[in-house]
Amino acid sequence: AQSVTQPDIHITVSEGASLELRCNYSYGATPYLFWYVQSPGQGLQLLLKYFSGDTLVQGIKGFEAEFKRSQSSFNLRKPSVHWSDAAEYFCAAFSSNTGKLIFGQGTTLQVKP
Amino acid sequence: EAGVTQFPSHSVIEKGQTVTLRCDPISGHDNLYWYRRVMGKEIKFLLHFVKESKQDESGMPNNRFLAERTGGTYSTLKVQPAELEDSGVYFCASSQDRSSTEAFFGQGTRLTVV
Repeated sequence: AQSVTQPDIHITVSEGASLELRCNYSYGATPYLFWYVQSPGQGLQLLLKYFSGDTLVQGIKGFEAEFKRSQSSFNLRKPSVHWSDAAEYFCAAFSSNTGKLIFGQGTTLQVKP
Repeated sequence: EAGVTQFPSHSVIEKGQTVTLRCDPISGHDNLYWYRRVMGKEIKFLLHFVKESKQDESGMPNNRFLAERTGGTYSTLKVQPAELEDSGVYFCASSQDRSSTEAFFGQGTRLTVV
């Protein structure tokens, strides 16, 4: 079955430190991959997406993600975290066959001053 | 351009009552999706409209849930009667067409059944 896994439920980093949120997917073919962020009281906002081509994709707010087919991973990174990055982050895969997004469980990011 | 809007933002109802959630997609978006996140779990697909037609409702949990999209504009999701396990955040999303892989999400409706 198609699935997306985010192994870390909760991560705490210090402001200014680097960040990496993990995401693994299980699909028959290469899916379209996404990272969304949900800040308190807000909707899901698209950070970045991967369809094909360059495996390192840049997103908004200084985030990037790297698609690694050999590891079935699409980890989200940011070199220097800001306090405003505290939020919940969701990795998702889209199947063009089903038209559905399949989400991971989410990772809550806490940023220490 | 207005984004996807959902009403209400929060709803607290008693078990056995009825609640109706509303979603206004981005104007011109034929595809409308409902997703749900129950506490501590992943966001899960409920159903997909293309205009006013239900394209896929495989994620609807049971027949207490009824979704409509009359006229192909806004959509409603009714839960009747509500049960405790229906508590969660209900998200709506819309996209321009099926091949569009960027769905725009609303802020969600937090439903609490007590």
